[in-house]
Amino acid sequence: QVQLQESGPRVVKPSGTLSLTCTISGGSFDTYYWTWIRQPAGRGLEWIGRIYVNGNTNYNPSLKSRITMSVDTSKNQFTLNLSSVSAADTAVYYCARDRGTYAHGSDFDPWGQGTLVIVSS
Amino acid sequence: DIQMTQSPSALSAYVGDRVTVTCQASQGIRDYLNWYQQKPGKAPKLLIYDASNLETGVPSRFSGSGSGTHFTFTISSLQPEDIGIYYCQQYDDIPYTFGQGTKLEIK
Repeated sequence: QVQLQESGPRVVKPSGTLSLTCTISGGSFDTYYWTWIRQPAGRGLEWIGRIYVNGNTNYNPSLKSRITMSVDTSKNQFTLNLSSVSAADTAVYYCARDRGTYAHGSDFDPWGQGTLVIVSS
Repeated sequence: DIQMTQSPSALSAYVGDRVTVTCQASQGIRDYLNWYQQKPGKAPKLLIYDASNLETGVPSRFSGSGSGTHFTFTISSLQPEDIGIYYCQQYDDIPYTFGQGTKLEIK
């Protein structure tokens, strides 16, 4: 059974870079897109972007200028870097598997438990 | 971006009631629509994929239908454990987008 676990700093200073890692266990890392989704407190869900094992990425245009995603197949990990953060980036960040194909996305399952990142000085 | 509009935003019903949530897409998305349930402090859980397919292990009281721009999510007989927030999500086009959520409570 595939499990995902987010890790990274809980607090990031304004104008700094938010860096999170998602570690996958219990299943294949190949043949799927791996996704980041965030949720500000008391609000809805926002798709951030996704990365394939070959490094191919798709980003949300609203965040594209600030996002970098990468993958480390040797560690079964993928990472999110979000630069120039502000209070508006404070949210619970989830990683998830996109069960679609390389050609087209699909649903998200499973999800990590989520990690709260607070942007504050 | 494709906008997903859910209604109602909140819903209160009795145990045993039939509950329906709708999701309207701003443009046609074929059947590229999923439904999730989120409980407080937890990650969303996939319930329905491809508009009408029940995820493995999800009770059969949950169902989904629709295609194009109009979609429906139904709980045939509401149970106490069904409280939470329900989201629709489209994957027809990037960026993938979610509805704003429907908060379901028990009367």
